[in-house]
Amino acid sequence: AQSVSQHNHHVILSEAASLELGCNYSYGGTVNLFWYVQYPGQHLQLLLKYFSGDPLVKGIKGFEAEFIKSKFSFNLRKPSVQWSDTAEYFCAVNVGLTGTASKLTFGTGTRLQVTL
Amino acid sequence: DTEVTQTPKHLVMGMTNKKSLKCEQHMGHRAMYWYKQKAKKPPELMFVYSYEKLSINESVPSRFSPECPNSSLLNLHLHALQPEDSALYLCASSLSSSGPSYEQYFGPGTRLTVT
Repeated sequence: AQSVSQHNHHVILSEAASLELGCNYSYGGTVNLFWYVQYPGQHLQLLLKYFSGDPLVKGIKGFEAEFIKSKFSFNLRKPSVQWSDTAEYFCAVNVGLTGTASKLTFGTGTRLQVTL
Repeated sequence: DTEVTQTPKHLVMGMTNKKSLKCEQHMGHRAMYWYKQKAKKPPELMFVYSYEKLSINESVPSRFSPECPNSSLLNLHLHALQPEDSALYLCASSLSSSGPSYEQYFGPGTRLTVT
């Protein structure tokens, strides 16, 4: 079964600092990768996703992520964070099976706190 | 409309009560999901419905009973719950349950407290 690791549990950054959140997964086959964000009191929202093609994917709100197959990683980046980026960030993996129902496995999440 | 709605927002129930959670989407999605999320933890999958048929049950106790009356509606019937079942229950939907159309849209959740 696939698993997802997010090693940064709590990250504190000042506004305008650069962000990189790590995500590693364990599965040797085709995977679909996602980053979701959960702002305080709000529902989970998709930031970006990777299915195939260009390994550098751009999402909403200036976020991007790079899929490095050899490292089983899908790290999330943002060049300059804002206070409004304070939220919980979840990496998720779906094993790319077709024809059968598949499931999303979430990492444990990284709480990002941006200070003014 | 890219919205998944859930009712009620909050629910408090006793261990002998029977209640239901409701989830609705009008995006034409054919897959719907129930997740359980405890505080400061990731969502954990409970059930997957694909084309109104239950396709995944993650060994959820029978006190949780899902129902998909039509392609837009998903219910979760609750009976004889335990205090440890208190959590945020999330509903999600996606165009399909596998392949490239798998992006899931989440509802705001129902905050359940079992007393």
